[in-house]
Amino acid sequence: EAGVTQSPTHLIKTRGQQVTLRCSPISGHTSVYWYQQALGLGLQFLLWYDEGEERNRGNFPPRFSGRQFPNYSSELNVNALELEDSALYLCASSFIRGRGNTIYFGEGSWLTVV
Amino acid sequence: AQRVTQPEKLLSVFKGAPVELKCNYSYSGSPELFWYVQYSRQRLQLLLRHISRESIKGFTADLNKGETSFHLKKPFAQEEDSAMYYCALKGGGSQGNLIFGKGTKLSVKP
Repeated sequence: EAGVTQSPTHLIKTRGQQVTLRCSPISGHTSVYWYQQALGLGLQFLLWYDEGEERNRGNFPPRFSGRQFPNYSSELNVNALELEDSALYLCASSFIRGRGNTIYFGEGSWLTVV
Repeated sequence: AQRVTQPEKLLSVFKGAPVELKCNYSYSGSPELFWYVQYSRQRLQLLLRHISRESIKGFTADLNKGETSFHLKKPFAQEEDSAMYYCALKGGGSQGNLIFGKGTKLSVKP
């Protein structure tokens, strides 16, 4: 069974540009989560989508946005990139909301902003 | 507010020694607690969760609601246990995402 897949694996952007990261959840999973893992800051929750709707949002500015498609895949968009956006962006998925459902992680997309 | 605290950034022990990675949480309701592990060059993966009350790779963790703790323990550390360990909390309803602590790097020396 394929795990959570993310693309691209690495990318370099210039400050002020925009970036789109993509995530394909495990087959059958309806929830997708996005996290930012910046050096020294641990895993910071960004966004949670379930059944195509945004369910919760972390403490990030509006230039971080995303969406979930009918096939449950998801995109994370970051506008007006800043140097401090350089981080590993992790996507995760789970079967359904509720207790007892394991959340599985992808390998991440490394974003470097120069 | 939901919060997970892992007080130790780095924990270094010798092979065969007991290990305890500390985790404290703050949550007003009834949370689910998890331990995730990230081995070198591998993706973050679930180690164990409190509702399963299981032992994985010799690790156990007990939820102590009175002390709001979920410490991870192993009686005899192995070199292959060296990794980054994250404690995480999942609330209910709209708080159904995971909130992570900052992680503890465990180093097991031969």
